[in-house]
Amino acid sequence: EPEVTQTPSHQVTQMGQEVILRCVPISNHLYFYWYRQILGQKVEFLVSFYNNEISEKSEIFDDQFSVERPDGSNFTLKIRSTKLEDSAMYFCASRAPGQNYGYTFGSGTRLTVV
Amino acid sequence: ILNVEQSPQSLHVQEGDSTNFTCSFPSSNFYALHWYRWETAKSPEALFVMTLNGDEKKKGRISATLNTKEGYSYLYIKGSQPEDSATYLCASPYNQGGKLIFGQGTELSVKP
Repeated sequence: EPEVTQTPSHQVTQMGQEVILRCVPISNHLYFYWYRQILGQKVEFLVSFYNNEISEKSEIFDDQFSVERPDGSNFTLKIRSTKLEDSAMYFCASRAPGQNYGYTFGSGTRLTVV
Repeated sequence: ILNVEQSPQSLHVQEGDSTNFTCSFPSSNFYALHWYRWETAKSPEALFVMTLNGDEKKKGRISATLNTKEGYSYLYIKGSQPEDSATYLCASPYNQGGKLIFGQGTELSVKP
């Protein structure tokens, strides 16, 4: 069964450093999402991406965050200057066109900012 | 604002017990209700997507019901097994094909 792949599975970074979280969505999917879960809190939406542009973003997704689909297969989330409160599990998800309810999630990247 | 709530937050049961959890959501502007099973270090696994009031879905020992008029869904596990231990998440899309709004999850632990 096709999978959404995320790398790395765990990343530790120093406060103020830039991190890039990588995702390879399912090949025929065109809608892409990033979510995160801070420990003990709900999974929360960050951003959705379609047709090479952001279609929606949450209040969390400020100027420190950016997304990119650099080569037609990878979908990346960049955090420019990490803060302690960015520590969370970050999930990538993708969805095929016409499949309004068929979201597939990756296994997540646990980001720890120290 | 779409708010999805789950209860209980955690549940500890013995192998063989049957159990159920609740997901509540606003009954207005309803599109769908998703149930996911999430084990640590794995992808959240889609269990069910339910769209119609009165829907009942079943997958092995796991089943779910949906009441869109009163805004709740139940997930049932019959004869729990240790391998059912996981966090069960429900989520509802904010709009058709849009972002998912998640509940806080129910963490199930099944002891042998």
